[in-house]
Amino acid sequence: DTEVTQTPKHLVMGMTNKKSLKCEQHMGHRAMYWYKQKAKKPPELMFVYSYEKLSINESVPSRFSPECPNSSLLNLHLHALQPEDSALYLCASSQVLEGVQANYGYTFGSGTRLTVV
Amino acid sequence: GEDVEQSLFLSVREGDSSVINCTYTDSSSTYLYWYKQEPGAGLQLLTYIFSNMDMKQDQRLTVLLNKKDKHLSLRIADTQTGDSAIYFCAEMDPISSGSARQLTFGSGTQLTVLP
Repeated sequence: DTEVTQTPKHLVMGMTNKKSLKCEQHMGHRAMYWYKQKAKKPPELMFVYSYEKLSINESVPSRFSPECPNSSLLNLHLHALQPEDSALYLCASSQVLEGVQANYGYTFGSGTRLTVV
Repeated sequence: GEDVEQSLFLSVREGDSSVINCTYTDSSSTYLYWYKQEPGAGLQLLTYIFSNMDMKQDQRLTVLLNKKDKHLSLRIADTQTGDSAIYFCAEMDPISSGSARQLTFGSGTQLTVLP
């Protein structure tokens, strides 16, 4: 299995709703990432998990809450979002190697297109 | 993160070669990447190059790296309509904690292939 699977593919939610985005990989990758991408723009990093521990939070508002329950799963819990949070949310994973720099490019999922109404 | 810059648009005729350019600023980057994104889809890794290389060829794709000028290019030979997409260059930054690494993306180049 060489894929990152994201569900749902599309999500429409109201500003008072609570929803979750899910991401799954079975490549044995120990780093997982959430990116946010607005239309025609590059992806922007939100969170990084390394060995199931949150290692980077790029000043993301608390209405976004990540969770990594095990080495294969990554969730993004959403609550009280704003219309400007509408975007494509991309999950990615990569190998993690200690010390020596090596090529461990990311594998991206196809994303969840989120619309906040 | 460091800045990675690309021109926004490129149009070519089917069958011609396309050259997409990128400049980066972090001289400590060891790997540089090219990703392709089709409409409504995620990012697909096309190719990468290690910073001690000048060139890498992979079928229709040729990557050139000028480390002195911090300039990266992607050449697509015999461009097809299916190559129409947004192309992002990216550099790998070290993350201070843990061993995960952060990708910093350029602004993306919209390639349009005309019949």
